[in-house]
Amino acid sequence: DAGITQSPRHKVTETGTPVTLRCHQTENHRYMYWYRQDPGHGLRLIHYSYGVKDTDKGEVSDGYSVSRSKTEDFLLTLESATSSQTSVYFCAISESPRAGQGKASEQYFGPGTRLTVT
Amino acid sequence: AQTVTQSQPEMSVQEAETVTLSCTYDTSESDYYLFWYKQPPSRQMILVIRQEAYKQQNATENRFSVNFQKAAKSFSLKISDSQLGDAAMYFCAHRRGAGGTSYGKLTFGQGTILTVHP
Repeated sequence: DAGITQSPRHKVTETGTPVTLRCHQTENHRYMYWYRQDPGHGLRLIHYSYGVKDTDKGEVSDGYSVSRSKTEDFLLTLESATSSQTSVYFCAISESPRAGQGKASEQYFGPGTRLTVT
Repeated sequence: AQTVTQSQPEMSVQEAETVTLSCTYDTSESDYYLFWYKQPPSRQMILVIRQEAYKQQNATENRFSVNFQKAAKSFSLKISDSQLGDAAMYFCAHRRGAGGTSYGKLTFGQGTILTVHP
């Protein structure tokens, strides 16, 4: 299994509070992603990173920010949590295309974080 | 933008029988990858099978095979000799083939819940 951990695994928070989710990898992969999973929507991309300090928005980025100060860590922050952000959050990683298309085409997922905003 | 559609919210199959899960996608690109992911109750995302768009041959992995119809933009998953352990949510996903900063971003379908009856 790819070395990806997410913390916390579960969190309950109140509306209006800031929340930070952490993704940590030991694979030294260049690319990292944050997705959210909601019933009827599958997984949707929030933000992604293509290198240290290099990030960009995904499909559902409103209300979220990210930071990547080192290769192994990718943080997702909800500045002021809302009930609509109650979801399961997944981090994922993938190698650079230079590694070869066969290996590089796979994306490895962390175990997920269940966030409830009350 | 790419879209992926799974029109079967739920499917069921008898143990040892065969079941096919449907997926259609829309993309304007010629170079891309398609995936099927399995998500058991543990919530872990597990890659089941991968198809490169430039390959005409359908991918197979043991009891899992795909029917890739590029012109029709269809990508179905066939599970043969179904086992109780196959019960899970299954997601179809699309990824662009090009590298660059947006490399690896996955677009998921809504998911299909597969129930296996003993």
